Amino acid sequence: DTGVSQDPRHKITKRGQNVTFRCDPISEHNRLYWYRQTLGQGPEFLTYFQNEAQLEKSRLLSDRFSAERPKGSFSTLEIQRTEQGDSAMYLCASLNRENTGELFFGEGSRLTVL
Amino acid sequence: DAKTTQPNSMESNEEEPVHLPCNHSTISGTDYIHWYRQLPSQGPEYVIHGLTSNVNNRMASLAIAEDRKSSTLILHRATLRDAAVYYCMLPSGSARQLTFGSGTQLTVLP
Repeated sequence: DTGVSQDPRHKITKRGQNVTFRCDPISEHNRLYWYRQTLGQGPEFLTYFQNEAQLEKSRLLSDRFSAERPKGSFSTLEIQRTEQGDSAMYLCASLNRENTGELFFGEGSRLTVL
Repeated sequence: DAKTTQPNSMESNEEEPVHLPCNHSTISGTDYIHWYRQLPSQGPEYVIHGLTSNVNNRMASLAIAEDRKSSTLILHRATLRDAAVYYCMLPSGSARQLTFGSGTQLTVLP
């Protein structure tokens, strides 16, 4: 296992279309986070899973965003009816069971909404 | 929620030590202090974390103030590859939200 992987790495879409991103965490990690990052800003927390349960969701996350983690393995983040303001890097991170504090990040999925 | 404050940018000369400060005056007693860095076009990378005592690892050292309201990440000999955005991060809320600030852009001059 080489780390957290995300797919696709880049996505260009037209406004109003739906997009889905996938994250495969490190296999023994039971905690998974999604973040959004725009240019010049730090990563912004979106949501958190422990196993298959979505335990935290940012107040900033609109109803157009939904995330799942079926069976507590990979996770998907879907954005419906995309808007230009959704253009950003979407980062996934996982954390091990013992919660030693080291988040492992993927390389991100960059979304451009035209 | 605990908030962190970092300088927007810092510069260092290559092979000199760098001290990156972070203020977290509202930290709670059980919050760990985490540091990450982010190279261009990459996801953040873990650097170090600590609770009360100073910590050392192969990448850096973390000096934590006695009152825990501030900390300093120390790179002992900066290299060009250390040029990155450095984030000081504390858990917020129920510790399920690991929240980043805007970080410090470190420039290393040859």
